[in-house]
Amino acid sequence: QKEVEQNSGPLSVPEGAIASLNCTYSDRGSQSFFWYRQYSGKSPELIMSIYSNGDKEDGRFTAQLNKASQYVSLLIRDSQPSDSATYLCAVYSNSGYALNFGKGTSLLVTP
Amino acid sequence: EPEVTQTPSHQVTQMGQEVILRCVPISNHLYFYWYRQILGQKVEFLVSFYNNEISEKSEIFDDQFSVERPDGSNFTLKIRSTKLEDSAMYFCASEAPSGGATDTQYFGPGTRLTVL
Repeated sequence: QKEVEQNSGPLSVPEGAIASLNCTYSDRGSQSFFWYRQYSGKSPELIMSIYSNGDKEDGRFTAQLNKASQYVSLLIRDSQPSDSATYLCAVYSNSGYALNFGKGTSLLVTP
Repeated sequence: EPEVTQTPSHQVTQMGQEVILRCVPISNHLYFYWYRQILGQKVEFLVSFYNNEISEKSEIFDDQFSVERPDGSNFTLKIRSTKLEDSAMYFCASEAPSGGATDTQYFGPGTRLTVL
């Protein structure tokens, strides 16, 4: 069973700070990595995807991938109370069809 | 912006009854998926569907489950005889293949299934 591990949190950061969310995965052959945001009772919403080692920036979000360490992270700059949600890390299975999700990290941004 | 839609938003059923959950994927997408999320747990893959056949299924997707694309727009998940443990949020997702690693799945709003 391919595992995706995340710290469940909650991670609490003050408004305007940088939130750092981490994820590790067990399958060294994984190629595609995704961060989804999920508000309580809602569906996962794609934030970012990353496929190559290094950083990928999109607005206030930066995804970081280190395949050697099997580690992917998400940085949220200038955190806002509206960023309070659960952040899900997802990795494609070897078949390329199924997304394997972590349990998610709960983020709370306090005003 | 195109989006995946699902109906109903909430389905209540008695144990042993059949339910059909419906999804309309994004129109130019070719891959379709069902996931479920039991309250407080992680999102779990159930099945993927491409070219009118199942391409992959998880161990959760047993003989009680089936999927169908009855026409050019709908994608359905049928649970033949519901159990209490089937109570969960069911998400449909679709994807437009762009060639390998860049494919992204977009999720519908979900159907909350409650089995009594």
